Amino acid sequence: AQTVTQSQPEMSVQEAETVTLSCTYDTSENNYYLFWYKQPPSRQMILVIRQEAYKQQNATENRFSVNFQKAAKSFSLKISDSQLGDTAMYFCALVDTDKLIFGTGTRLQVFP
Amino acid sequence: EAQVTQNPRYLITVTGKKLTVTCSQNMNHEYMSWYRQDPGLGLRQIYYSMNVEVTDKGDVPEGYKVSRKEKRNFPLILESPSPNQTSLYFCASSPLPGAQETQYFGPGTRLLVL
Repeated sequence: AQTVTQSQPEMSVQEAETVTLSCTYDTSENNYYLFWYKQPPSRQMILVIRQEAYKQQNATENRFSVNFQKAAKSFSLKISDSQLGDTAMYFCALVDTDKLIFGTGTRLQVFP
Repeated sequence: EAQVTQNPRYLITVTGKKLTVTCSQNMNHEYMSWYRQDPGLGLRQIYYSMNVEVTDKGDVPEGYKVSRKEKRNFPLILESPSPNQTSLYFCASSPLPGAQETQYFGPGTRLLVL
């Protein structure tokens, strides 16, 4: 069965610094999709970044980028120039045919 | 405004009293789904729908029912709620019939079953 593992329950970073959140997954598919979603204290789920497995290039969205290592089944999220508004829960997710499998999340606290 | 709406946002009920949480999207999306979020467990998919009259089980469907009679609506029904269904529930939709596109989430419904 497909699984998604986020091994860091909590992390903290100082404002303007860089932080990397880890995610590993397991799937038998060759083509699949991976996501990072952010959940701020408002509880709203917001897409951060999306990666298609057949694309070699790592996805980027402004200060957010991923390190996608297909052979290692790793999909980490790097946040550069962290801002107070980045404080949130971050979820990694994998598409399993028609279903979406989420990890357990990493709570990120950005300190001034 | 393009959005997914859920009602109610907060609900306290008692064991065994049937309830329905509504979900509606105005983006003409094909795919809709329901998730529950519990501390330490992340989000888990309950049911999903690829299109009208097409629904399928997610990872935790026990105790829940859904229907998709219209494209825009996807209600979640708890016929006989139990305390272990106390959770935060999210409805989501995406444009294509599959989970490969970005999911647009509703604001969430916090349910407490006494």
